[in-house]
Amino acid sequence: AQSVTQLGSHVSVSEGALVLLRCNYSSSVPPYLFWYVQYPNQGLQLLLKYTSAATLVKGINGFEAEFKKSETSFHLTKPSAHMSDAAEYFCAVSEKSGGTSYGKLTFGQGTILTVHP
Amino acid sequence: DGGITQSPKYLFRKEGQNVTLSCEQNLNHDAMYWYRQDPGQGLRLIYYSQIVNDFQKGDIAEGYSVSREKKESFPLTVTSAQKNPTAFYLCASRPAPETRPSGETQYFGPGTRLLVL
Repeated sequence: AQSVTQLGSHVSVSEGALVLLRCNYSSSVPPYLFWYVQYPNQGLQLLLKYTSAATLVKGINGFEAEFKKSETSFHLTKPSAHMSDAAEYFCAVSEKSGGTSYGKLTFGQGTILTVHP
Repeated sequence: DGGITQSPKYLFRKEGQNVTLSCEQNLNHDAMYWYRQDPGQGLRLIYYSQIVNDFQKGDIAEGYSVSREKKESFPLTVTSAQKNPTAFYLCASRPAPETRPSGETQYFGPGTRLLVL
């Protein structure tokens, strides 16, 4: 079984400050890990993904995340927040394909990021 | 342009009525998914389909039905048995697992918001 915990349902930062959104996962097999962003009343857009290559993954809009197996974490960071980063962010885990778990994604509950001027 | 379309953007259901949400993709993806999103609960899987004429129940299938008669289309019917249908519904698709580099990634449509009159 797989699960995802996002620590903090709301995070507030000032424009220009560091963004840190936390994600911890559990999985019985090596996972794929994803961060998606959702703007109000829109679908989910892929920010970045970890698929067992480099542990530090760079994504769009200046975001990056580091896979730490020992901590079962995949935290999302951005050095300097911009007003346009205000959105809801979802961490998700997927087991590698095979058997009956064809790409099933398990999502965290989401973190709403607010950016203050 | 390739992508996933969902219609309508907003849908109103009367008590006792069945309604159908449309999802179409022209990405030639094998697998398609339906998720339900409620505030603070992340996304929960309703149904998914790996190939035409085959589909599987997800975590919250009760009160919903689907069909997969064409590779491009995966409509979701919210039946009168679903007592709390108000939510944001998201459709996603994914290529075959061996596809590189994106075989493990799900891509999302813009969503349909269902409201009860």
